[in-house]
This record gives sequence, C-alpha cells and structure tokens, in this order.
Amino acid sequence: AQKVTQAQTEISVVEKEDVTLDCVYETRDTTYYLFWYKQPPSGELVFLIRRNSFDEQNEISGRYSWNFQKSTSSFNFTITASQVVDSAVYFCALSEKDYGQNFVFGPGTRLSVLP
Amino acid sequence: DTGVSQNPRHKITKRGQNVTFRCDPISEHNRLYWYRQTLGQGPEFLTYFQNEAQLEKSRLLSDRFSAERPKGSFSTLEIQRTEQGDSAMYLCASSSVGQRYGYTFGSGTRLTVV
Repeated sequence: AQKVTQAQTEISVVEKEDVTLDCVYETRDTTYYLFWYKQPPSGELVFLIRRNSFDEQNEISGRYSWNFQKSTSSFNFTITASQVVDSAVYFCALSEKDYGQNFVFGPGTRLSVLP
Repeated sequence: DTGVSQNPRHKITKRGQNVTFRCDPISEHNRLYWYRQTLGQGPEFLTYFQNEAQLEKSRLLSDRFSAERPKGSFSTLEIQRTEQGDSAMYLCASSSVGQRYGYTFGSGTRLTVV
C-alpha cells in the first residue's frame, strides 16, 4: 500500500526565514512519481513539481528547492527567504502510474509566514 | 478557457437530500478526476474518466455516489441521500495524455450537510 507522511502539521516562520517541509513516502513500486502541490486560501491546488523515482537529482526553481533521497524515502521541500505570499497548505503526493493518474496525498503542512 | 471550473462553489443541503456538482475541465484535456478533501486532510481519489469512459472508481465512492461525463467534456458528481459525513470539499482536476506536470485542479465545491 502507498502512504505519504507529512509529520509537520503547522509551521510558522517570520518573513525571509528559510523553511523546510518534510515528506516521507512508502511504496512497493520501483517506478513511481512524487509531487508537491500548494493550496492557498482560495482552495485550488497549484502544481509545484513532479519527480520520478529514477531521477534523484535535486532541483532548484527560484526560491524553491527539492531534495529527493530514495535511501530514506524522503522528498523534502525548502523555501528560501520565505514571503507572506508563501502562506498556504502544502501537500506532498505519490503516484505509481504515469503522470499521476491517481494520487495518494499526504495530510498537508500549513505554512504561515508572518511579516 | 483559463482553467478548471467547478459549480457551485458552496452548497448547503439538508441530510437526505440529493446534490449534484458540475466540473468543466480545460477544453483540450481528455482526462478528468474527482477528489474529496475533508478538513485538515489531503485530497482522496474518488474516480477518473478518460473521455467519456469511467476507468477507475475508489472504494470511497459508495453506491450513493455517481459520476458521469456523458460527452467527454464536462462531468457531474451526484450524491444521493446525503449524510453529514459527506460534508467536504469536492475537487475536480483535468489533464491530457502525456501531460508531465500533474493535474490542473479547480477551486472545488464545498458541501455542507446539515
């Protein structure tokens, strides 16, 4: 069975601080896909990144970076120099099928960035 | 066509009533998904369509739930004889075959059963 754990329920930081959101996953599949989504107060889920299980290269996109470690089944997300607009719930998700046919989502981490 | 549209945004209904939600996906997307999200939890998969064919259904989708996508465009999700446990956000998403960046989600329909 697949499972995604996000142990941090809520995190509060002050603007400009760096923050890391943890994600640990479980799967028996050798091929799988990992995702991060952002859910702002408006409700829609916004895609941030997709990573397949064969690509362990870390990725940086602006202030966002992702650290994928297969050995520890983790796919952590770091926001550098956080901003108030980063306040949202962040979900990590796992799918065993092509292009995330049906995701298993973690419970989410609520990030509050205070001015 | 700027995104996935869901209507209504909010629905309050009395227990036992039937409700229907609508999802209009991005026009060129042939895949459509329904998810349910309860407070403080991540979304849970309900069902998936490719064109008009319903290819997967979660065990969460009891016989009180039915989803359709009659012409492979918009989709409806109906809940019959609503229960208080059905109160949740119902999210729709769409994608196209070969899309490599996950789904595009709508803003959801929030259902409250009183």
